[in-house]
Amino acid sequence: NAGVMQNPRHLVRRRGQEARLRCSPMKGHSHVYWYRQLPEEGLKFMVYLQKENIIDESGMPKERFSAEFPKEGPSILRIQQVVRGDSAAYFCASSPRAGGTDTQYFGPGTRLTVL
Amino acid sequence: SQQGEEDPQALSIQEGENATMNCSYKTSINNLQWYRQNSGRGLVHLILIRSNEREKHSGRLRVTLDTSKKSSSLLITASRAADTASYFCATDADTDKLIFGTGTRLQVFP
Repeated sequence: NAGVMQNPRHLVRRRGQEARLRCSPMKGHSHVYWYRQLPEEGLKFMVYLQKENIIDESGMPKERFSAEFPKEGPSILRIQQVVRGDSAAYFCASSPRAGGTDTQYFGPGTRLTVL
Repeated sequence: SQQGEEDPQALSIQEGENATMNCSYKTSINNLQWYRQNSGRGLVHLILIRSNEREKHSGRLRVTLDTSKKSSSLLITASRAADTASYFCATDADTDKLIFGTGTRLQVFP
């Protein structure tokens, strides 16, 4: 059973470009969470999705950031018009049930560098 | 909003010694989890302890939870150089997301 997969592992973008980060949850998991980690800090929650639904986006910046988890395919975190402050590691996690009642399993992360 | 804090921020020990890390949080929880993160890598789940549990063991790991003090501790016994990593506690007060602490950076010298 493959773990949570994220791609790309590293992404370099220039200011103003778009970044697309992909996350494939573990088999059988229908709950996906995105977190952001700045250097030397802990992870900060961004958004929680189930298939075709955004359940909680309270940690997502109001502008430029969006997330989806379509019926088919991976979850996508999209950052439009990236700025240097978006440089961070973005982690995806999945669980078979709502995260508070079960372990969240993390992917290896995508490290975004904005030049 | 709730935020976990780990203590100490950094810890350096020799192989074979025990390492203890503490985590405090602010609001009531359902579960508390500990994760390990090697430098530049993803998070590895170590152990989950539920709010009605006081202690849990997994191999060389021992986790305690004191809900009256809103604190938890992670003990790694007989540490190894491979235990060098950052350790984070995470709580689930809002049931759908994890709130992570700032982490303890553990360095184990051979």
